[in-house]
Amino acid sequence: KAGVTQTPRYLIKTRGQQVTLSCSPISGHRSVSWYQQTPGQGLQFLFEYFSETQRNKGNFPGRFSGRQFSNSRSEMNVSTLELGDSALYLCASSPRGASTGELFFGEGSRLTVL
Amino acid sequence: AQRVTQPEKLLSVFKGAPVELKCNYSYSGSPELFWYVQYSRQRLQLLLRHISRESIKGFTADLNKGETSFHLKKPFAQEEDSAMYYCALSASGNQFYFGTGTSLTVIP
Repeated sequence: KAGVTQTPRYLIKTRGQQVTLSCSPISGHRSVSWYQQTPGQGLQFLFEYFSETQRNKGNFPGRFSGRQFSNSRSEMNVSTLELGDSALYLCASSPRGASTGELFFGEGSRLTVL
Repeated sequence: AQRVTQPEKLLSVFKGAPVELKCNYSYSGSPELFWYVQYSRQRLQLLLRHISRESIKGFTADLNKGETSFHLKKPFAQEEDSAMYYCALSASGNQFYFGTGTSLTVIP
């Protein structure tokens, strides 16, 4: 099986712009979650989608949003980018809705905001 | 509030020496705890989970509810154990709280 695929892998934006990141989960996985990883804060939970519905949301401003499509692929969007949004954004998929502990991570999308 | 603390950012041990990576948590409910690992140039992956009570690659972790700890241990460190280790706590669904990680270096 192919692993979790995230695109783009690297991108550079300027303050005020918006960005959309994409995640294709492992085939058959219905849960997709997103994390922001920074050197100082580690991995912080953004949100989780299951069967096209947002189930959980972390403590991030409304500029961060996401969605999931019927094929379980997910996108996250960050509007009005700020310098502090520079980070590695990780997507993880899981086969089941309930917690199993088995999150399968992608390689991440590294966002740099100038 | 849920929180996972890994007090050591960096940890170096000699090959063959015991290793312990510390993890403390705060959680109001009954916790599900995990260790994830990221080897150089690889993806973050699950190492072990407390409910399985298993040993993976020689690593074990015991949940101590009294001390709210979930330390990761291995009696004899190997060079291939050098990696970044994250302790994680699961809340509802697949919402995880991760510690900030400990970078383990095993010195030959």
